[in-house]
Amino acid sequence: QSALTQPASVSASPGQSITISCTGTSSDVGSYNFVSWYQQHPGKAPKLMIYEATKRPSGVSNRFSGSKSGNTASLTISGLQAEDEADYYCSSYTSGSTQVFGEGTKLTVL
Amino acid sequence: QLQLQESGPGLVKPSETLSLTCTVSGGSISSSSYHWGWIRQPPGKGLEWIGSIYYSGSTYNNPSLKSRVTISIDTSKKQFSLKLSSVTAADTAVYYCARRFADYSFDPWGQGTLVTVSS
Repeated sequence: QSALTQPASVSASPGQSITISCTGTSSDVGSYNFVSWYQQHPGKAPKLMIYEATKRPSGVSNRFSGSKSGNTASLTISGLQAEDEADYYCSSYTSGSTQVFGEGTKLTVL
Repeated sequence: QLQLQESGPGLVKPSETLSLTCTVSGGSISSSSYHWGWIRQPPGKGLEWIGSIYYSGSTYNNPSLKSRVTISIDTSKKQFSLKLSSVTAADTAVYYCARRFADYSFDPWGQGTLVTVSS
């Protein structure tokens, strides 16, 4: 069970937008909309930001949005703020009622 | 609101069994709408799904951990547990418990507990 592929790091200035990709296969991301995204600040537990590829939980800023095309899911953060600096992980359901996380992406707000 | 709290030894010797418990408060552990899961994160590394359990006792585990993982649930105590056998230094990690929705997302998460495997 291989981890989903994410860029190791991305960076941008406050106010800009960034997109983090999450690439899987036809056995996971490509076949199901059960993709979720998590934000993790240092020393803290992950926080759910996006579920079912595009849906935002109550309380999560509308600056966060998700999309999916083929085997790749994406998380976009618009209007970057300093507090968005964190690690981001995607996760997907895979065949056999299992699931897998992405490698993680470190977002730096310059 | 729903809260989860992990508990268990912070130090385990190599070849022994790691045992952790997650206590659920502020909600029902017996709801048919949720599963309950364990996820771990080695120091400085990414997240790894360990397994999930339903209130009925049905479990789903990460194939990469093979038969070393046992997850159980005690609805009367509002707890679910993780046992990982034959541990090595590679099992050193922060272990999280979390509620899993039908869409396979996890929310909320416990604060996590660091387990170190060392003699």
